[in-house]
Amino acid sequence: SAVISQKPSRDICQRGTSLTIQCQVDSQVTMMFWYRQQPGQSLTLIATANQGSEATYESGFVIDKFPISRPNLTFSTLTVSNMSPEDSSIYLCSADENTEAFFGQGTRLTVV
Amino acid sequence: AQSVTQLGSHVSVSEGALVLLRCNYSSSVPPYLFWYVQYPNQGLQLLLKYTTGATLVKGINGFEAEFKKSETSFHLTKPSAHMSDAAEYFCAVSAFTGGFKTIFGAGTRLFVKA
Repeated sequence: SAVISQKPSRDICQRGTSLTIQCQVDSQVTMMFWYRQQPGQSLTLIATANQGSEATYESGFVIDKFPISRPNLTFSTLTVSNMSPEDSSIYLCSADENTEAFFGQGTRLTVV
Repeated sequence: AQSVTQLGSHVSVSEGALVLLRCNYSSSVPPYLFWYVQYPNQGLQLLLKYTTGATLVKGINGFEAEFKKSETSFHLTKPSAHMSDAAEYFCAVSAFTGGFKTIFGAGTRLFVKA
């Protein structure tokens, strides 16, 4: 099974700043996914990241707010830009292997 | 496109009683179905999954789920609840679209009473 490492595991940020979250997979995967889990809620897919192409964003999420990089088949970053308190959430990276989705432990972001 | 509906945001059972968490899905292609559990302040853990083959799927911790295509359902059951089962449970669906994009239900919080 794929092992996914995310960092940072948590951060407290000032409003108006940006945070970049890194996601490393221990094997090559075609697609990586970024999710947001707001307090007490389910996981919402932000975007799908393919290597060598622009990320595909879900409805309600835009590239200017959540730019994503996917430089190779084992790594991706998500940036949360111009943060506001409403961006306080857990952000999770995911990759699929053999029909199963594997998740990192998440990044707990608090915006003050 | 895929979607998941979990019936009941909260379910409360007594210890030793049957656990039944309901999940209905929608998918334009044959779905893959999953149940995940999340304990407080922890990550997601896969309980079980259905891809193809046998429609009754057994998972960890005594949980099982049955894929019923005619009812578009994938309900999660456990014969006897344990206090340690108290957690948030997420039903999820995915389908191959170049990779497996997983869509999650809203979640059901399971409470277990002593």
